[in-house]
Amino acid sequence: SQTIHQWPATLVQPVGSPLSLECTVEGTSNPNLYWYRQAAGRGLQLLFYSVGIGQISSEVPQNLSASRPQDRQFILSSKKLLLSDSGFYLCAWSVHGNEAFFGQGTRLTVV
Amino acid sequence: AQKVTQAQTEISVVEKEDVTLDCVYETRDTTYYLFWYKQPPSGELVFLIRRNSFDEQNEISGRYSWNFQKSTSSFNFTITASQVVDSAVYFCALTLRGGATNKLIFGTGTLLAVQP
Repeated sequence: SQTIHQWPATLVQPVGSPLSLECTVEGTSNPNLYWYRQAAGRGLQLLFYSVGIGQISSEVPQNLSASRPQDRQFILSSKKLLLSDSGFYLCAWSVHGNEAFFGQGTRLTVV
Repeated sequence: AQKVTQAQTEISVVEKEDVTLDCVYETRDTTYYLFWYKQPPSGELVFLIRRNSFDEQNEISGRYSWNFQKSTSSFNFTITASQVVDSAVYFCALTLRGGATNKLIFGTGTLLAVQP
């Protein structure tokens, strides 16, 4: 069966520090991968998606970047965090045409 | 452009009451999927149901039922005999069929509080 792992679960980082959140999927090949952010207002915003290794599409311009070094690995990064980067980050995977399955999320607080 | 609207920001009910969560979507495409997800306090989004645009049959799964009506672009979700464990934020979402990705477009969610 397929599983998705996302870590860390919580993170407190100072402004200006780097960020690396990792997400891995098991039990499926060539999935679509996604990073979403959920701000305090509860809405889910798509940040990045990837249809294959090295293929990244950005939905909104921002202080973050994403990479997909392996088929089932998706990384969200920042060189210098801003206060506005605080939020709940969710990784998800799907196979074309089907529902997306989400990781447990990372709650990031930038202080 | 695609859009999902969940007009109900918060709903509070007493246990055993029935409750309906509304979802209205907009798309010019004729082929699409609709979804409902549950987000309990732990934060993880739990998939509940997928419905494709060609299937307007209503679906029932235990205490959950979904009413899909293309004529009104709605995909409403009803919980019968609600329980405290149903307390969560519920999201409706839309994606287009076809293409290399299926980007989920979410509504803003409805917070359901079930009081004992």
